[in-house]
Amino acid sequence: QKEVEQNSGPLSVPEGAIASLNCTYSDRGSQSFFWYRQYSGKSPELIMFIYSNGDKEDGRFTAQLNKASQYVSLLIRDSQPSDSATYLCAVTRGLMDSNYQLIWGAGTKLIIKP
Amino acid sequence: DAGITQSPRHKVTETGTPVTLRCHQTENHRYMYWYRQDPGHGLRLIHYSYGVKDTDKGEVSDGYSVSRSKTEDFLLTLESATSSQTSVYFCAISVLAVTSETQYFGPGTRLLVL
Repeated sequence: QKEVEQNSGPLSVPEGAIASLNCTYSDRGSQSFFWYRQYSGKSPELIMFIYSNGDKEDGRFTAQLNKASQYVSLLIRDSQPSDSATYLCAVTRGLMDSNYQLIWGAGTKLIIKP
Repeated sequence: DAGITQSPRHKVTETGTPVTLRCHQTENHRYMYWYRQDPGHGLRLIHYSYGVKDTDKGEVSDGYSVSRSKTEDFLLTLESATSSQTSVYFCAISVLAVTSETQYFGPGTRLLVL
């Protein structure tokens, strides 16, 4: 079992719809959870992070965290073609003093169709 | 872009030759990381540094060494390059954002080992 799992996709979503990206993790001690976006040939860029159960909203993006179910998701409202990218989920290692290391999922490729 | 540069951006080399990749940051952040990214594997940590001359291994450190003689520079060396080390290499720094350390990435180096 991978430590951080994501569906590789591609996930195809019509323009203007809500895109829902999911991530599960295995380490119950993980404290912080991150979503990065990566365009083809580019480096990952941070979208948002969350560390408390519930929802966190930033513009068209909402991160949702459920620590009991070890599940984190990213919702993208009013999807735009420019949102087409690979989305990477990352979580901190659940060891003392290991909040400086991240465990990464392999990413979900999202395609927004005009 | 968090003030991170990587050099070279592209390199082609032959099996058995040594290769050094450089990561440079302008903001004196303590933590620096080297990752490799391959299709289907996501980002995998090679080595990281938590200060000048303080480094530690990541999950895929075999065949790689690192050095950090100055806060701003983190070097990754492939002592004798192999074809399995063909990959995209990303450097990252860790920045404290509100309550969590957050990683920001350099532009990457594409390495092809023939």
